[in-house]
Amino acid sequence: QVQLQESGPGLVKPSETLSLTCSVSGGSISSHYWSWIRQPPGKGLEWIGFIYYSGSTDCNPSLKSRVTISIDTSKSQFSLRLSSVTAADTAVYYCARVRYGSARGFDYWGQGTLVTVSS
Amino acid sequence: QSALTQPASVSGSPGQSITISCTGSSSDVGGYNYVSWYQQHPGKAPKLMIYDVSNRPSGVSNRFSGSKSGNTASLTISGLQAEDEADYYCSSYTTTSTHVVFGGGTKLTVL
Repeated sequence: QVQLQESGPGLVKPSETLSLTCSVSGGSISSHYWSWIRQPPGKGLEWIGFIYYSGSTDCNPSLKSRVTISIDTSKSQFSLRLSSVTAADTAVYYCARVRYGSARGFDYWGQGTLVTVSS
Repeated sequence: QSALTQPASVSGSPGQSITISCTGSSSDVGGYNYVSWYQQHPGKAPKLMIYDVSNRPSGVSNRFSGSKSGNTASLTISGLQAEDEADYYCSSYTTTSTHVVFGGGTKLTVL
């Protein structure tokens, strides 16, 4: 059974950088695309971006200038960095596995981690 | 504003069937059979219920079914049960720059 677990600070100051890591267990990280998705409190889901084990990435243009997604296959982890955060970046951040290809369904999700942007 | 349009809420009584629509464009829902549906209970991560328009992952009840006509995809839940009360989101591959788009979500209330 594939399991994903997000980790990182739950509180980030405005203008600083949000950093999260997703640890993958129970399956190979080298066989799928992996994504970050967020959900502001009380709102819907927003796709942030994905990474393939090769290092190939793509992300939402609305966040592109601030987002970096990386992968460490030796540790079975992938990471998200979001710079220059504001209160609008307050959300539950999920990591997820793409079932097939780069966009054909997210079949395994982490439990989510709430990141609050506040001074 | 979400790229895919869903009704904000739907409701039904136990045992009934309901359908949730998800309307996009030829750049996403209408152009590709890569629509997925997710169920999300409060405080929980979303769960994949349907992928590639009409396929159910292993373990998902056959009371859940998906379809598509033109630019609109639909999720139908038959034999409604209390445990089906949740938020439901559609998503699709898109050829616009966002690559993946979600609907705004639909709150299902089981009366």
